[in-house]
Amino acid sequence: DGGITQSPKYLFRKEGQNVTLSCEQNLNHDAMYWYRQDPGQGLRLIYYSQIVNDFQKGDIAEGYSVSREKKESFPLTVTSAQKNPTAFYLCASFERGNYGYTFGSGTRLTVV
Amino acid sequence: DQQVKQNSPSLSVQEGRISILNCDYTNSMFDYFLWYKKYPAEGPTFLISISSIKDKNEDGRFTVFLNKSAKHLSLHIVPSQPGDSAVYFCAASLNNDMRFGAGTRLTVKP
Repeated sequence: DGGITQSPKYLFRKEGQNVTLSCEQNLNHDAMYWYRQDPGQGLRLIYYSQIVNDFQKGDIAEGYSVSREKKESFPLTVTSAQKNPTAFYLCASFERGNYGYTFGSGTRLTVV
Repeated sequence: DQQVKQNSPSLSVQEGRISILNCDYTNSMFDYFLWYKKYPAEGPTFLISISSIKDKNEDGRFTVFLNKSAKHLSLHIVPSQPGDSAVYFCAASLNNDMRFGAGTRLTVKP
């Protein structure tokens, strides 16, 4: 059963810590994306990757980092430089010729 | 700079009536438009889409209308059902780049 798996579902971070959110897909999609959702803000693009070993900054990339070493995996690291990391994070994948993104179930990150 | 706007944060409709959700965009280069439905603590799921070469697309109870001159699209749900209660996101796409609106929370009352 193809899809996108995000883990963990809930994550708590202490001030000054880096945390990594996992995103794995078995859809064989080339493009993968990370979005952040805040109340009243919709979905804002953090980073995206069109192909392995390549990625681009989105609208709100500051304080985040990504890697794309494998087609199936696109982990997002929330660094201590991100001043307001508490949010709901969504990973998505997309395949050319098949409009519409496939989203994961999300990770809720809370700073404690 | 919000390129896609949903100006109504919430909408309440009686079961059986029509729900109309609106969306405006600023970039005339967008060539594909989509609506997603989202329940709390879940990822959005694709609902319906429309290409910029069309002005209407229908799928069961859901119809999307596109007015390119006004840079406006709308989603009609007829008849509305309580299970339709969710947040609806409008999205506009150019190549592989997609921009989302802030969402509209639809509540369908029994």
